[in-house]
Amino acid sequence: DGGITQSPKYLFRKEGQNVTLSCEQNLNHDAMYWYRQDPGQGLRLIYYSQIVNDFQKGDIAEGYSVSREKKESFPLTVTSAQKNPTAFYLCASKPQGLNYGYTFGSGTRLTVV
Amino acid sequence: GESVGLHLPTLSVQEGDNSIINCAYSNSASDYFIWYKQESGKGPQFIIDIRSNMDKRQGQRVTVLLNKTVKHLSLQIAATQPGDSAVYFCAEKAGRRALTFGSGTRLQVQP
Repeated sequence: DGGITQSPKYLFRKEGQNVTLSCEQNLNHDAMYWYRQDPGQGLRLIYYSQIVNDFQKGDIAEGYSVSREKKESFPLTVTSAQKNPTAFYLCASKPQGLNYGYTFGSGTRLTVV
Repeated sequence: GESVGLHLPTLSVQEGDNSIINCAYSNSASDYFIWYKQESGKGPQFIIDIRSNMDKRQGQRVTVLLNKTVKHLSLQIAATQPGDSAVYFCAEKAGRRALTFGSGTRLQVQP
């Protein structure tokens, strides 16, 4: 079955550490996205990539970094510069073309301890 | 700045009733709109979409209405069931921009 997989489901980070969240899709989608969701709130865009080896900052990119070396993979690194990283992180992908809905992964819940 | 918002943070309905969830948007250039359903601890699930050249689109038990004049979007769910209980988000985009999401409405279905 085609889909988008995020791992791990739960992640605990000590203050000052960098952590990397994995996102893999086998849908042959060109574009991939990372959103952050805080409790009781909507999704805010961190980074997105419309093609391999290219990505753009979203609304809240500070303290995060990404790479897009393969079409299937779009890992997100939460750096120590992110002051409040505890949140639910969602990865999404969509096919090439303007008007398609995003397919979301099941999310990674990151907690700073 | 541009934003997508919702009128009601929580909507409580009786099982079997119809539900209407509303959403206002501010970007007049928005040309594509989506409704998502999110259950607790899960990723959002696509429900239905609509392009700006339409004012109504129907799916299975769901209908989306778009009023571009007042920048308003609504999701109607017919014969609401307990499994419909979730948080519903509207999202919009203009051209090649990424989707912008609203803050969500929680739908509670009472048996």
